[in-house]
Amino acid sequence: AQKVTQAQTEISVVEKEDVTLDCVYETRDTTYYLFWYKQPPSGELVFLIRRNSFDEQNEISGRYSWNFQKSTSSFNFTITASQVVDSAVYFCALSLLMDTGRRALTFGSGTRLQVQP
Amino acid sequence: ETGVTQTPRHLVMGMTNKKSLKCEQHLGHNAMYWYKQSAKKPLELMFVYSLEERVENNSVPSRFSPECPNSSHLFLHLHTLQPEDSALYLCASSQIQGVYGYTFGSGTRLTVV
Repeated sequence: AQKVTQAQTEISVVEKEDVTLDCVYETRDTTYYLFWYKQPPSGELVFLIRRNSFDEQNEISGRYSWNFQKSTSSFNFTITASQVVDSAVYFCALSLLMDTGRRALTFGSGTRLQVQP
Repeated sequence: ETGVTQTPRHLVMGMTNKKSLKCEQHLGHNAMYWYKQSAKKPLELMFVYSLEERVENNSVPSRFSPECPNSSHLFLHLHTLQPEDSALYLCASSQIQGVYGYTFGSGTRLTVV
């Protein structure tokens, strides 16, 4: 099966704590793309990062960092010094090659992050 | 306008009504998508249009009927829906293949009564 698993349904932290959101994926493709999206209460999914399967370098963007490990099929997301504005649902997604030869994003079930002041 | 715009933002309809959801993108993308997000399920891909041709259906019930008249506009026509169809319907666009990810609209919150 090709899928994305986000085992953490909901996480609650206090402001300024660090928090890691887990993402595990399964795919038979040798070339694939992984993404993280943020969904605030307004509903729109906001793109955070894209990673291709050949680039295992970790990435840092401000308070956000991502740890991609092909050996464990994981693409985890860490927020350092969390803030109330980080409260949202976070989705990990995998760009899969469909039978039609087209790619489409398949999403994990999401992790709801609540940052308490 | 830029990005992906969806209208209406909220819609309440009876089970015998016919309504349409609209999506418009001004990003120059040539693929568009409908996703359904309900409370108890992850984001479900409903339809994919690439160069205005429907390429994925994903076994969606016929009470949902998509239309893509050009690469900038996508519609989802609704008729005789069921209460379990109540959900957030998200539109997205991308370049063909979606290698660089999708840009999403804010969604239409649909309630079927």
